[in-house]
Amino acid sequence: EPEVTQTPSHQVTQMGQEVILRCVPISNHLYFYWYRQILGQKVEFLVSFYNNEISEKSEIFDDQFSVERPDGSNFTLKIRSTKLEDSAMYFCASIRGGDYGYTFGSGTRLTVV
Amino acid sequence: TQLLEQSPQFLSIQEGENLTVYCNSSSVFSSLQWYRQEPGEGPVLLVTVVTGGEVKKLKRLTFQFGDARKDSSLHITAAQPGDTGLYLCAGARQAGTALIFGKGTTLSVSS
Repeated sequence: EPEVTQTPSHQVTQMGQEVILRCVPISNHLYFYWYRQILGQKVEFLVSFYNNEISEKSEIFDDQFSVERPDGSNFTLKIRSTKLEDSAMYFCASIRGGDYGYTFGSGTRLTVV
Repeated sequence: TQLLEQSPQFLSIQEGENLTVYCNSSSVFSSLQWYRQEPGEGPVLLVTVVTGGEVKKLKRLTFQFGDARKDSSLHITAAQPGDTGLYLCAGARQAGTALIFGKGTTLSVSS
């Protein structure tokens, strides 16, 4: 069963530091997403990426966030200057297209101290 | 802003009982999906429904999409302890767009 791979599984960083969360989506998928889930809260959409550009983003995805697909395989989320409230599980997801089901990775638990 | 209201938030039942989880919205969705999420893991897709009135079955789980594509339900027949977990509904207003998640239903089935 193809899967979405995320690394690292857990990252602890100091407030103000930059972090890069990495994802390898399923190879024949065309749409890529980042979601986050603050502990005890619902899963929230951050950004979607299609055809090498951002196709949609939420209010959460401000100038501190950026995404990249540097090599046709990896899909990264960068947070430039982390804040305490950025602590959450970050999930990458991908979809082939249409109304097919989304495949989520196991997530990266980001803890900002 | 599109919202998905999921109910109940918590459900604790005995093995063998039936249950239904509801997902409601005032907005129309292109598709609605149900996921199960284990602690510390990502959501795992159970089913996608795309046609109004559609019913899909996955063993003891029955999923229904409302005729107007604004609501959905998940019915579990003869629940088992292995069904314990967090169930999430999520809708997309158009194919490939952002998923909007409900808050989830935490199900506990005791033997």
